[in-house]
Amino acid sequence: NAGVTQTPKFRILKIGQSMTLQCTQDMNHNYMYWYRQDPGMGLKLIYYSVGAGITDKGEVPNGYNVSRSTTEDFPLRLELAAPSQTSVYFCASSYTTSAEYNEQFFGPGTRLTVL
Amino acid sequence: RKEVEQDPGPFNVPEGATVAFNCTYSNSASQSFFWYRQDCRKEPKLLMSVYSSGNEDGRFTAQLNRASQYISLLIRDSKLSDSATYLCVVNMNYQLIWGAGTKLIIKP
Repeated sequence: NAGVTQTPKFRILKIGQSMTLQCTQDMNHNYMYWYRQDPGMGLKLIYYSVGAGITDKGEVPNGYNVSRSTTEDFPLRLELAAPSQTSVYFCASSYTTSAEYNEQFFGPGTRLTVL
Repeated sequence: RKEVEQDPGPFNVPEGATVAFNCTYSNSASQSFFWYRQDCRKEPKLLMSVYSSGNEDGRFTAQLNRASQYISLLIRDSKLSDSATYLCVVNMNYQLIWGAGTKLIIKP
């Protein structure tokens, strides 16, 4: 199992450009998440999905969009990139969201710089 | 007040020593609690869940105090490989709320 994979690993964008961060998991997890991590800060939830065709906003969704057409894939779209979106982006998945067993498995992250 | 607060450190600790971190959370309705470990420029990985009665996994012991709304992580006989950032995570309404982490540096 590859687990959770993310591409690209690094990207530099100019202000106003758009891009899609790819995320794929091969664990057949229903639940998938996108987080951003700014230096010295905790992870902030951008969007999440409880299954194919179902997505919902997290804490910091503005400037982002997601889709979930398959169980495996959960791409994150940045429209009109801004310097405030400079961050490390992590995709994660979990088998369940139950209180006891909500272990999330993370991809290696995408380091995005917007100049 | 932040939902989940941790001392950012860094904690500089000699190899073999015992070190403890605390984490406080603001929502008394929080349902479950975890410690994740994050190595430099890597993704977070689950270290251990924290149970109400306290739990141990080798050199690591986690405690929960619901009355005072804090959890703790104790690392005994610390190893150089324990150097990392330790993230306190609280499950509230089926979403994980993350602390900013405590950086631990183990010195030879």
